[in-house]
Amino acid sequence: GNSVTQMEGPVTLSEEAFLTINCTYTATGYPSLFWYVQYPGEGLQLLLKATKADDKGSNKGFEATYRKETTSFHLEKGSVQVSDSAVYFCALSDLNTGNQFYFGTGTSLTVIP
Amino acid sequence: DAGITQSPRHKVTETGTPVTLRCHQTENHRYMYWYRQDPGHGLRLIHYSYGVKDTDKGEVSDGYSVSRSKTEDFLLTLESATSSQTSVYFCAISEGSTNEKLFFGSGTQLSVL
Repeated sequence: GNSVTQMEGPVTLSEEAFLTINCTYTATGYPSLFWYVQYPGEGLQLLLKATKADDKGSNKGFEATYRKETTSFHLEKGSVQVSDSAVYFCALSDLNTGNQFYFGTGTSLTVIP
Repeated sequence: DAGITQSPRHKVTETGTPVTLRCHQTENHRYMYWYRQDPGHGLRLIHYSYGVKDTDKGEVSDGYSVSRSKTEDFLLTLESATSSQTSVYFCAISEGSTNEKLFFGSGTQLSVL
């Protein structure tokens, strides 16, 4: 079946530090991969996506590369800001299962000045 | 921002009472989803719909039912609420097929006492 496993949190970093949040997946087909971000009191919003192997998604300084050989989609940012404090969710979608989306458990990030 | 409205935003109810949560979209998207968000579990799919009167179960559908009589509305009903259904509920929509992006509502905080 389909599933997503992501790095446990919470993660606390100082401003301008390097961020990595690990995500690995299991899929029966050829999924698309996503990172969503949730700010306090809000719903999730798409941060970036990649639809096929070796694609790199990027947005707001965040990047993630779809690695089929390691079934991974790790999120990285070179220099985090206080405004990046949020919960980050890795997800996959599989059109073969009725357009269902599968989410990881979320990783809470706090960036301190 | 995608036009998704969830109502109510907060609800407190007693065990054994029926509860209905509403999701309304103005985007004319085909797919609609109900998720619940719980600490340590991330987002889990309850039910989803791929068209008017077309629905299917998700990962945690027991104790929940849904209805979609119009494209724009997707209702989630707890027939007899239990304390284990205390959670934050999110509605999401997607065009499906060529556009797999999910748009989320702002959530409903439900407390079952």
